[in-house]
Amino acid sequence: ETGVTQTPRHLVMGMTNKKSLKCEQHLGHNAMYWYKQSAKKPLELMFVYNFKEQTENNSVPSRFSPECPNSSHLFLHLHTLQPEDSALYLCASSQELAGESTDTQYFGPGTRLTVL
Amino acid sequence: AQTVTQSQPEMSVQEAETVTLSCTYDTSESDYYLFWYKQPPSRQMILVIRQEAYKQQNATENRFSVNFQKAAKSFSLKISDSQLGDAAMYFCAYSSINNAGNMLTFGGGTRLMVKP
Repeated sequence: ETGVTQTPRHLVMGMTNKKSLKCEQHLGHNAMYWYKQSAKKPLELMFVYNFKEQTENNSVPSRFSPECPNSSHLFLHLHTLQPEDSALYLCASSQELAGESTDTQYFGPGTRLTVL
Repeated sequence: AQTVTQSQPEMSVQEAETVTLSCTYDTSESDYYLFWYKQPPSRQMILVIRQEAYKQQNATENRFSVNFQKAAKSFSLKISDSQLGDAAMYFCAYSSINNAGNMLTFGGGTRLMVKP
């Protein structure tokens, strides 16, 4: 499945580093999402972008900063993370009609993040 | 707020046999979508099957079918003729139709093991 790609696949960073996760969708969708998957916890939605506008910020700490420059690309900028932020970060996309929901979300392979 | 519960942390099935994974959800809405996603060791989240709540007919996708009981708020997944490649984490998910944030609410997952 190459509809949604994520880079890097693995990332190890120190608490003082700044890094970015990248997601790209090749499906012509207009909505993109960031999820966090921690061990023994359900997937948590972090951010939603519809038509490049952020429509959801699920109480995510400011050390996570999303960016959606166009409908095909989504970034998650990371700075001064904590060890508890270590997790699998999944990107997804879907085709949404304005004011309605929802089409199926298609996921990327994820970035495994380890914060030392 | 909607919640999704998967009461079976782990299940095991013999190859070629049938297994059913349970999912219950809580909502006050009458229209919504339900999904089953599969996450193999590669960590790619793959859509297995989708059900619209307004449809009475249970969704079917090859060897995968659901038993959707709207009144009981139950959405179980049946896998027939299990194959080794079916081994994975399975997540049940809920999405509201009238949800501007297009949020998916996930259950905690069920790990399915397939024995040869």
